[in-house]
Amino acid sequence: KAGVTQTPRYLIKTRGQQVTLSCSPISGHRSVSWYQQTPGQGLQFLFEYFSETQRNKGNFPGRFSGRQFSNSRSEMNVSTLELGDSALYLCASSWFASGGATDTQYFGPGTRLTVL
Amino acid sequence: KNQVEQSPQSLIILEGKNCTLQCNYTVSPFSNLRWYKQDTGRGPVSLTIMTFSENTKSNGRYTATLDADTKQSSLHITASQLSDSASYICVVSGNTGTASKLTFGTGTRLQVTL
Repeated sequence: KAGVTQTPRYLIKTRGQQVTLSCSPISGHRSVSWYQQTPGQGLQFLFEYFSETQRNKGNFPGRFSGRQFSNSRSEMNVSTLELGDSALYLCASSWFASGGATDTQYFGPGTRLTVL
Repeated sequence: KNQVEQSPQSLIILEGKNCTLQCNYTVSPFSNLRWYKQDTGRGPVSLTIMTFSENTKSNGRYTATLDADTKQSSLHITASQLSDSASYICVVSGNTGTASKLTFGTGTRLQVTL
């Protein structure tokens, strides 16, 4: 059974540009969550989608947005990139809404974004 | 403010030795606590999930304990192997069980050497 896949794996952009990252969850999983990971801050929650609806959103500016398609694939978009957006962006999928007591989240390998 | 603190920040041990990683949290109300292992350049992998009523859970050589009264958890690794070298992240979920209530520790970086 294929795991969570993320594309692209690496990305280099310049300040002011925008970027779209893609996440394909494990087949059958309906929940996709996005996280930003930086050395100083660790993992920080961005947002979660379940059945094409955004369920929760973390404390990130409106430049960060996302969506989920009917096949549960998800994309996140960052507009007007800043140097501080350089990070590893991880997505995770699960059967049900993440955080549930018996629900394991499966993470993808991440997309390493570098903003110059 | 909900917080998860892990100690030590980093640890170096010899192959075959045991070690224990600590996690203290102030998340309230509490739903569950998870330990993840993250290899360099890869996404985290779930090791254990414990609810309020569980005080120990094992996954092979990994054993997690939870004391909900003192809000402390530990991850014990037995007979360490070189492949155990990774970051170990403690994550606590609030009572609603939604992603926005997940609070992450900054991790303990473990290095196992010969």
